Amino acid sequence: AQTVTQSQPEMSVQEAETVTLSCTYDTSESDYYLFWYKQPPSRQMILVIRQEAYKQQNATENRFSVNFQKAAKSFSLKISDSQLGDAAMYFCAYRSNFGNEKLTFGTGTRLTIIP
Amino acid sequence: DTGVSQDPRHKITKRGQNVTFRCDPISEHNRLYWYRQTLGQGPEFLTYFQNEAQLEKSRLLSDRFSAERPKGSFSTLEIQRTEQGDSAMYLCASSRSLNTEAFFGQGTRLTVV
Repeated sequence: AQTVTQSQPEMSVQEAETVTLSCTYDTSESDYYLFWYKQPPSRQMILVIRQEAYKQQNATENRFSVNFQKAAKSFSLKISDSQLGDAAMYFCAYRSNFGNEKLTFGTGTRLTIIP
Repeated sequence: DTGVSQDPRHKITKRGQNVTFRCDPISEHNRLYWYRQTLGQGPEFLTYFQNEAQLEKSRLLSDRFSAERPKGSFSTLEIQRTEQGDSAMYLCASSRSLNTEAFFGQGTRLTVV
């Protein structure tokens, strides 16, 4: 079974600075997807960025980028120019590409933005 | 596009009672997923549907839980004889097809007293 580990329960960053959230995962599969989801307080979870395992190039979405290290099974999220609206729980998630459509989530990292 | 809608947003029930939650996916999304999220944890997969067919159920889904998606549109999740351990946020998500983005609803927070 796949597992996802987020070892940072809480992180904080000064507004406009850069922060990196860590995620490691365990799988025996070679083809899968990795995701970062953002869950603001009392609001629905939204997709921040996704990475396909067979793509070596790291995904980027505006201020959000990932560092995908397949051999190390590491998938960190970098948020540049942090904004107050980035404050939320961030979840790393895994999904197999072998017909199993469920997402396996980590326990999350609570990100606080310091004005 | 009104997003994934869940009803009710909050439910308080006494132990032993039955509860039912509803999820309305984004229209034309043929995949619908249910997850459960307890405090301090990430969401855990419960079950999913492709159209009206329930294709996978987690071992977390005990016999007291049942989910349906008649006609491949909205879905209901029923919990019979609720227990305090059922207290959680129940999340619904939908996606257009395989390997497309899953959109989540705001969830139904269940408290069993």
